[in-house]
Amino acid sequence: DSGVTQTPKHLITATGQRVTLRCSPRSGDLSVYWYQQSLDQGLQFLIQYYNGEERAKGNILERFSAQQFPDLHSELNLSSLELGDSALYFCASTTDGLFTDTQYFGPGTRLTVL
Amino acid sequence: GEDVEQSLFLSVREGDSSVINCTYTDSSSTYLYWYKQEPGAGLQLLTYIFSNMDMKQDQRLTVLLNKKDKHLSLRIADSQTGDSAIYFCAESIRRGSTLGRLYFGRGTQLTVWP
Repeated sequence: DSGVTQTPKHLITATGQRVTLRCSPRSGDLSVYWYQQSLDQGLQFLIQYYNGEERAKGNILERFSAQQFPDLHSELNLSSLELGDSALYFCASTTDGLFTDTQYFGPGTRLTVL
Repeated sequence: GEDVEQSLFLSVREGDSSVINCTYTDSSSTYLYWYKQEPGAGLQLLTYIFSNMDMKQDQRLTVLLNKKDKHLSLRIADSQTGDSAIYFCAESIRRGSTLGRLYFGRGTQLTVWP
């Protein structure tokens, strides 16, 4: 158990809908990362937050947004969902969010868009 | 770009050594990681190595780094059926705006036959 929790474990929804994925980092970690794992794209970095502020952005679509709250949990919002958004979404956390930091991953949320 | 390449499949017999290879492109200071993903599970950190090291050993795991060739390998001694999983090589690069994000390979599916 990495200490990173994600809810829900599974999510099934329809095209055009909006969902929210939640992540709680390890105790004491200030930085949260979101990654998407799909069959065609592999593991792709989406976005990073550090202590409530956006720190780095990757291949995140404009339909997706995220935030980190004062209690350091983070939410990833996916809207106007398309079939191609079906994927496993991982959250990872680190202490400082620097390149020297080891990332510990949560169990993931499997999103299925029908 | 930051490309991390891995072979997709590896099969070995129980008791043999498994060697999973990875190549990366960025020559900046980096940390290189190996993660394990079992079916339906998240990413479990196995080990990591900094780019100024040549080798790291941790019980059955040995990581070898050839900086000249930008080649990383993970050797699992005395492979067990429980080692069957997907193994991901990942790189964290020191670069201002991207800080701690990870660049992943596509993963190597290791199958250990009894």
